[in-house]
Amino acid sequence: DAGVTQSPTHLIKTRGQQVTLRCSPKSGHDTVSWYQQALGQGPQFIFQYYEEEERQRGNFPDRFSGHQFPNYSSELNVNALLLGDSALYLCASSFGTPWEQYFGPGTRLTVT
Amino acid sequence: AQSVTQPDIHITVSEGASLELRCNYSYGATPYLFWYVQSPGQGLQLLLKYFSGDTLVQGIKGFEAEFKRSQSSFNLRKPSVHWSDAAEYFCAVGADSNYQLIWGAGTKLIIKP
Repeated sequence: DAGVTQSPTHLIKTRGQQVTLRCSPKSGHDTVSWYQQALGQGPQFIFQYYEEEERQRGNFPDRFSGHQFPNYSSELNVNALLLGDSALYLCASSFGTPWEQYFGPGTRLTVT
Repeated sequence: AQSVTQPDIHITVSEGASLELRCNYSYGATPYLFWYVQSPGQGLQLLLKYFSGDTLVQGIKGFEAEFKRSQSSFNLRKPSVHWSDAAEYFCAVGADSNYQLIWGAGTKLIIKP
């Protein structure tokens, strides 16, 4: 039973560029949430996707957007990257109870 | 607004000693409570959860937590820690009013040999 997978593992981008991160949920899960975790901090909620729609959004600018596909996988897009976007981006999946979330290993994004 | 406080940034415990990590939350109704563990550079692993019912919940790796409504707390405990327990521990809260988890800042557990 595959858990949550994320790609790529690491990514280095330059300020102003755009990035796409990918997530495949745990088998049987239909809801995907994205979090940003800065060094030494707890995760911050970006948004949650369910039935291919953004169900809830955290306090992040419109530069952060996402998508969920019919197979429940998801993408996180960040435009016009800033140095402050450097963080670990975590994807979590759930089924039924949206708060019981299972996390992937994360994508480490470095913006230079 | 919901909030989660983990008062201890670091805790150092000798191997074999007992452990208690503190978590306090602010929320009007009964929350959904979680503890996760994160090893360096890794994702988050769910240790245990509380939705309702028995206020003492058992989790994986020998951890347990107790929900105390009167104190708005959900402290994590383990009777005897092992060196492999060294990691960062996060408390998180969910609520019916929204779908996100609200997180504490984490407690880093250091194990002394």
